[in-house]
Amino acid sequence: DIQLTQSPSFLSASVGDRVTITCRASQVINNYLAWYQQKPGKAPKLLIYAASTLQSGVPSRFSGSGSGTEFTLTISNQQPEDFATYYCQELNNYPLTFGGGTKVEIK
Amino acid sequence: EVQLVESGGGLVQPGGSLRLSCAASGFTFSDHYMDWVRQAPGKGLEWVGRTRNKADDYATVYAASVKGRFIVSRDDSKNSLYLQMNNLKTEDTAVYFCARPMRHSGRSWAFEIWGQGTMVTVSS
Repeated sequence: DIQLTQSPSFLSASVGDRVTITCRASQVINNYLAWYQQKPGKAPKLLIYAASTLQSGVPSRFSGSGSGTEFTLTISNQQPEDFATYYCQELNNYPLTFGGGTKVEIK
Repeated sequence: EVQLVESGGGLVQPGGSLRLSCAASGFTFSDHYMDWVRQAPGKGLEWVGRTRNKADDYATVYAASVKGRFIVSRDDSKNSLYLQMNNLKTEDTAVYFCARPMRHSGRSWAFEIWGQGTMVTVSS
């Protein structure tokens, strides 16, 4: 099975900060990687698919990059509503593994 | 409005069974693969299993942690997805989400639609 390692697990940020989260895969997954945002008590929300394609309706301050085994989610100008937990997911192979999550907290 | 609504969660004893349902609306359910994802309290997301559509013979795939105990099924005439959970263990305690993947060019790219989740607690 493919393992996805997200880093960091926690980060503190201020409004206006640039936030970067990394997701490393144990094997090549090409660009079959998605990013989700989850707030407490809510279902995950799709942000990015195919590693770098912004889902419709998602603000342009979110961006994704990478290919192969290393991927990055960037929030260019952290807003109050962006404090949440973020997950990556690979869809190249079964099982469709999620990363362990990155909780972004207010500094 | 595209919507998924789960139901059927509750408290069950270890070794027991439970059947979750997911009612779909706002889209042509029969065209789509459908998935179940769970999240244990305070933990991350775990993919549980998938049913493909009729065109792909309704084939199912499971995570190793549930294979042989859980069954994913669907009834396209009722726009409904199901998760039959047997021989439940305490570690199956979680919120269970149904999700619809986006597909194009023969591949799944992400889970674009999610239900609100239903809580399953396995405890004596």
